[in-house]
Amino acid sequence: SQQGEEDPQALSIQEGENATMNCSYKTSINNLQWYRQNSGRGLVHLILIRSNEREKHSGRLRVTLDTSKKSSSLLITASRAADTASYFCATNSGAGSYQLTFGKGTKLSVIP
Amino acid sequence: KAGVTQTPRYLIKTRGQQVTLSCSPISGHRSVSWYQQTPGQGLQFLFEYFSETQRNKGNFPGRFSGRQFSNSRSEMNVSTLELGDSALYLCASRPPQTGMNTEAFFGQGTRLTVV
Repeated sequence: SQQGEEDPQALSIQEGENATMNCSYKTSINNLQWYRQNSGRGLVHLILIRSNEREKHSGRLRVTLDTSKKSSSLLITASRAADTASYFCATNSGAGSYQLTFGKGTKLSVIP
Repeated sequence: KAGVTQTPRYLIKTRGQQVTLSCSPISGHRSVSWYQQTPGQGLQFLFEYFSETQRNKGNFPGRFSGRQFSNSRSEMNVSTLELGDSALYLCASRPPQTGMNTEAFFGQGTRLTVV
């Protein structure tokens, strides 16, 4: 079942602009992760934020996590055409096994 | 280091047939998970294997099964294929650290089309 819900479902921006995607989830988590997928290919891991962290940076990516609101956001700064892809948040809530629960994704289009 | 390798990349099967998909994890990774991706249901967890043992299974019928070998390679099998089984099947492996706070490394997937 889907736990995360991304918002917006689709986003179109100009190259150089910032892109913000939001994710909400329902249960308590160990961590929340963001993945990128290009045109139905495999998922590429972007960043993992633990439940006791509030913000994390990686290059042009900034992720925030608000466990009280059960929400996270992914900010991509100074976007490039190569950032065009679908972005998924995934939560990990398990104790004995590793199971990711994905949201429906945000389709980002960066126009050159 | 080679990434997660899934074979075949594309597959076309007829309703009622069965299919076996293969996944070779990154060297040294012992945890392998499988996910199904469809336009309607999105990405859904199928099962996770660790050291040849299934640790968890998602909400899928018994037609979906899997196994893991001693070299950590994994296979999943779908019997009596239905049109709705058409999907991208993704395999992921995980580094051998303990705990849940590790990323998963995904393969390129196997695109299964059932006709």
